[in-house]
Amino acid sequence: SAVISQKPSRDICQRGTSLTIQCQVDSQVTMMFWYRQQPGQSLTLIATANQGSEATYESGFVIDKFPISRPNLTFSTLTVSNMSPEDSSIYLCSVERMEVSGREQYFGPGTRLTVT
Amino acid sequence: GQSLEQPSEVTAVEGAIVQINCTYQTSGFYGLSWYQQHDGGAPTFLSYNALDGLEETGRFSSFLSRSDSYGYLLLQELQMKDSASYFCAVKAIYGQNFVFGPGTRLSVLP
Repeated sequence: SAVISQKPSRDICQRGTSLTIQCQVDSQVTMMFWYRQQPGQSLTLIATANQGSEATYESGFVIDKFPISRPNLTFSTLTVSNMSPEDSSIYLCSVERMEVSGREQYFGPGTRLTVT
Repeated sequence: GQSLEQPSEVTAVEGAIVQINCTYQTSGFYGLSWYQQHDGGAPTFLSYNALDGLEETGRFSSFLSRSDSYGYLLLQELQMKDSASYFCAVKAIYGQNFVFGPGTRLSVLP
């Protein structure tokens, strides 16, 4: 299993500002994932963060808007830059593990962002 | 690319059995996973099917048929605490990323 913590748990920010979300895992992992989830909606993958290389972004997400750092195998940050109300969402980090039951993803508790 | 479809809502009563279906279109994937998410909480892993057939874990079972591009989650002896959203997901072989279905909101009535 994996225990993941995120900071902050929630924040209210003004448009035009930036927020950095931290994700800490209790063990070393190769890949960490960042998702966005609108209330009542599904999870959308923003990017995959690999230690020692550039993050891989999904269609519709760019590095200038969502810069990611991955300084070591247990930590990553996601920055939401130049925020607008459309960025209001829950941001989740996750890791993948191969368990006896198969490929499992473990999620952090999420960061609830409101942009005013 | 990959896309998954699920019913948006399902309602059942305590003690009943409910099946949540997931159909998909994908160019190749490792397996089909199921996640549960309560309001305000993070998704938690329920089940994984790498091969065709039925996987049973307590009250929950999951099924996969690659030839039919279809899977389902079966919940037995429903309890009120099972009221939540359920997501199917695949991990693509090409691209190595996870794709989640739109989610099914299950309401369990007394």
